[in-house]
Amino acid sequence: GEDVEQSLFLSVREGDSSVINCTYTDSSSTYLYWYKQEPGAGLQLLTYIFSNMDMKQDQRLTVLLNKKDKHLSLRIADTQTGDSAIYFCAEIGSSNTGKLIFGQGTTLQVKP
Amino acid sequence: SAVISQKPSRDICQRGTSLTIQCQVDSQVTMMFWYRQQPGQSLTLIATANQGSEATYESGFVIDKFPISRPNLTFSTLTVSNMSPEDSSIYLCSVLGQISGYTFGSGTRLTVV
Repeated sequence: GEDVEQSLFLSVREGDSSVINCTYTDSSSTYLYWYKQEPGAGLQLLTYIFSNMDMKQDQRLTVLLNKKDKHLSLRIADTQTGDSAIYFCAEIGSSNTGKLIFGQGTTLQVKP
Repeated sequence: SAVISQKPSRDICQRGTSLTIQCQVDSQVTMMFWYRQQPGQSLTLIATANQGSEATYESGFVIDKFPISRPNLTFSTLTVSNMSPEDSSIYLCSVLGQISGYTFGSGTRLTVV
């Protein structure tokens, strides 16, 4: 079945790079997404990558996709305290229903 | 991207009562979804709200407990019926627009006492 896994917690120092990892099982996924959830807020779309791409860069964010290993990562350069949040990886399920399958979320803690 | 207004933002309800959550979008969208996020957990899809027909529910969710309406392409409601403390969660509306992709509302934080 469809499953998305993430590590639960990451702690970095301000100014360092953060790398959040995600693995998925559905090899037919077309799009993979990264969302950010700040305390008490909804989900904010950070970026997404199409399955035929290996990398996508958007300012401080870099997404790497290894389709062979079904591994997705989100790198945040020059991490700031405002980046502290929960980050969710999500894929579109192969059932063509349009629904997103979410990972458990990675809590990023940025220490000053 | 589409702008979603979700109401109420939070509520505290007595067990046995029902709460209806509204989701209003500023543009017509092809698909609307309702998700639940239990405390400290990820998001789980409750159902896809279909315009003009019955919602499509995921395994473990039933219409009697979570009735959904979608009268047009910009509006949907989710009702949490006969609530118990186990229903305490954040409920999120999500839309899929042709241009905007997936967008989420700010969520409704429900506490059942």
